Order: sequence, then C-alpha cells, then structure tokens
Amino acid sequence: EVQLVESGGGLVQPGGSLRLSCAASGFTFSSYYMIWVRQAPGKGLEWVANIKEDGSEKYYVDSVKGRFTISRDNAKNSLYLQMNSLRAEDTAVYYCARDPPPELGDAFDIWGQGTMVTVSS
Amino acid sequence: EIVMTQSPATLSVSPGERATLSCRASQSVSSNLAWYQQKPGQAPRLLIYGASTRATGIPARFSGSGSGTEFTLTISSLQSEDFAVYYCHQYNNWPPWTFGQGTKVEIK
Repeated sequence: EVQLVESGGGLVQPGGSLRLSCAASGFTFSSYYMIWVRQAPGKGLEWVANIKEDGSEKYYVDSVKGRFTISRDNAKNSLYLQMNSLRAEDTAVYYCARDPPPELGDAFDIWGQGTMVTVSS
Repeated sequence: EIVMTQSPATLSVSPGERATLSCRASQSVSSNLAWYQQKPGQAPRLLIYGASTRATGIPARFSGSGSGTEFTLTISSLQSEDFAVYYCHQYNNWPPWTFGQGTKVEIK
C-alpha cells in the first residue's frame, strides 16, 4: 500500500524549532518530488516547500524562506521539514505529499494524514 | 504568483442533484489544474488532474473541464459522501504552487 506518515508535530513556543518527518512506503520514494503543504485552522491549503527527487533543487514559499529547510533521505524513504524561528502564523496541520512527474499527472496524488504544529506561549 | 479564485464559497445542494464548482486563474495555467476533495479531519484527496482526468479510483460522477483560466468541477449526482470542501490547484507556473480558497458543498 502506498502510504505517507507524518510525525514530529506538537506545541512549541514562538521562536522555537521543530523537525517534521514523513515516512514513505509502498513506492519508489527516490523517483518522486516531495512536498509539504500546510493548513491553518479553519483555512485553506498552502504549499510550503518541495524538493526534487535527488535533493538537488528545493523551493519555498516566501513566508518561510530562511526559516524552514526541506530535506530528504532516500535511503530511509523519508522526508523532513526543519522549522526554525517559528511564529504564531506557522500554526497549522502540515501534510507531506507526493508529486509525480508530468508524464504521470504532476498533481499531488498521495497525502499523509497530517501532523499538527501549534506555536504558542 | 498565479491567484486561483473559486466560486461559490458555499454551495447548498440536495442529494441526487448536480453540483457545479468554478475555479478561475489570474493567468493561463493551460490544463495544469487539479481538484481535491477534503472532508473534516482528513487529508485532501486528489480527484482530477490535467483539468479533466480522473485520478485512480475516483467515481465517474466527478468530471472536470476547462483550460487556460476557467475551470469547472461537476458532480453529476451528489451522494452523501460527496459533501466536503473542494480545492483547485494550479501546477503550471511555479513556484509557488497555488490553491484556490475552497468551495464547501453542503447539504441543502
């Protein structure tokens, strides 16, 4: 079964750090772009970051540039999001998702269940 | 940045009726447009990609159309499990990848 499972969320104070993980199974992880998308409470979806199959290219939404770092370990079938200097506005459910190549559709076809990050004092 | 605008914000429909959701892009995204369904407490689920191709396992009552800047998701006969929030998403011009603000389909 193709599956993504996030972990690492929790309550953190403003200015703090958190590292999210996403464990992939059931597919060839190293063949896919991977992404992080977040959803603030009661709000819509916001793309946060993504990373190329080999980790050579990374992109970030402007609001997290310089604070968040996306990475992956293809040997461990895992995706990560290191979040530093957290702000209240980073409070959200964070989803990892798979981004197939254009010839397979190029939309985000598999999503994890999400992990909640709450930034509050 | 391409802005995606969905309408209406809320759609009230009776079971068995047809639902039509709209999504407009601030500039052309060709056919690089996807639709997702999200139920409360769940992750989004891919319904449509390439503007009109159903994802694996998606029932035929879901259909997508459009290209350029105007797109439509149609649910031909609403079932109880279809009441949810629907998002459009463009992946033509990136970064950033952008989503619409969502349309909530509720029971009338």
